[in-house]
Amino acid sequence: DAGVIQSPRHEVTEMGQEVTLRCKPISGHDYLFWYRQTMMRGLELLIYFNNNVPIDDSGMPEDRFSAKMPNASFSTLKIQPSEPRDSAVYFCASSPGGGELFFGEGSRLTVL
Amino acid sequence: GQSLEQPSEVTAVEGAIVQINCTYQTSGFYGLSWYQQHDGGAPTFLSYNGLDGLEETGRFSSFLSRSDSYGYLLLQELQMKDSASYFCAVRDRSSGGYQKVTFGIGTKLQVIP
Repeated sequence: DAGVIQSPRHEVTEMGQEVTLRCKPISGHDYLFWYRQTMMRGLELLIYFNNNVPIDDSGMPEDRFSAKMPNASFSTLKIQPSEPRDSAVYFCASSPGGGELFFGEGSRLTVL
Repeated sequence: GQSLEQPSEVTAVEGAIVQINCTYQTSGFYGLSWYQQHDGGAPTFLSYNGLDGLEETGRFSSFLSRSDSYGYLLLQELQMKDSASYFCAVRDRSSGGYQKVTFGIGTKLQVIP
């Protein structure tokens, strides 16, 4: 298996633009997690899915953030409109449900 | 909600042993995991403790005491390549009985010659 695949790896955009981050989890994993990492706040859980259904989105900072998982092999995290404070590395991770999460390489977002 | 505490930085000498502690507060606790992250990289899984006691994987060991809400990661025979950030993460029960994984702020380990 190729592991968790995220795209884009790097994104630079201007304030107010829409940003879409993509994730392909490992086949057969029931859980998909979206995290945001910054120096100040560490790894924050934004939202997670089980069998494509959003379970807990309490970590989503505000209504500008939304996430979908239309099928078992694809998820998106969208920010609209983006702001400079959204600059961070966004990680997607999948899990079969045990104690181990498998992370993608991350999407580094810079909002100017 | 969950809260985890771990030291922000630790420095140790190559060849030595270092212990990184983690305390947590949560309900519906399932287990504690440890992850390593090198600068610019993604977190990678090191170990998981679902029950009390010590788990050993090569040079790395992890310990859990559920009654004390405490765990630690032990790194032996430190190598320069072990310089990285180490995160503890709590796996606990979320709404509907699903499993949520929350990370601590991370401990930056610097190994010096």
